Amino acid sequence: QKEVEQNSGPLSVPEGAIASLNCTYSDRGSQSFFWYRQYSGKSPELIMSIYSNGDKEDGRFTAQLNKASQYVSLLIRDSQPSDSATYLCAVTGPEGASKIIFGSGTRLSIRP
Amino acid sequence: KAGVTQTPRYLIKTRGQQVTLSCSPISGHRSVSWYQQTPGQGLQFLFEYFSETQRNKGNFPGRFSGRQFSNSRSEMNVSTLELGDSALYLCASSLTGPAGYTFGSGTRLTVV
Repeated sequence: QKEVEQNSGPLSVPEGAIASLNCTYSDRGSQSFFWYRQYSGKSPELIMSIYSNGDKEDGRFTAQLNKASQYVSLLIRDSQPSDSATYLCAVTGPEGASKIIFGSGTRLSIRP
Repeated sequence: KAGVTQTPRYLIKTRGQQVTLSCSPISGHRSVSWYQQTPGQGLQFLFEYFSETQRNKGNFPGRFSGRQFSNSRSEMNVSTLELGDSALYLCASSLTGPAGYTFGSGTRLTVV
């Protein structure tokens, strides 16, 4: 079982709609959770971090965490073509906060 | 403020050779992590350094090593290169740990 699992996609969403990206993780001891966005040929960039159960909103982005279900999600409202990228879920590993484990990413495509 | 700088951007090496990659973190950042990114495996954690100490290490063979200097700059070394080592090597830095990592542009290593 992979430590961080994501559906690889591609996920195709019409412009203006809500894109929903999901991630599950295996270690119940994980404390920190992140979403990174990676455009083709570029490096990952941090877009959201979340540390406690519930929702965290930042502009058009909302991260949701449910530790009991070991589930993290990212919602993108009013999706724009510029949101087309690969979204990587990342979780601190069982060895503690000095190691982040990444999922394989979900490719999101926003169609006009 | 300058970002994370990785040098060189591209490298072509022959099987059996060794290679050293360099990473200069954002000024003031003391935590540096290294990742290998390939299309098949995604982002794989190599190691993390903080104040010249390796705090965590991924599941890579001993051919992969790293170090961090007193100015927080970091190097990673790969000895006896294999074809499978061809990948994008990414360095990321943060103030104290994985939270809010900023990635460099990466070094694209090709082993022939």
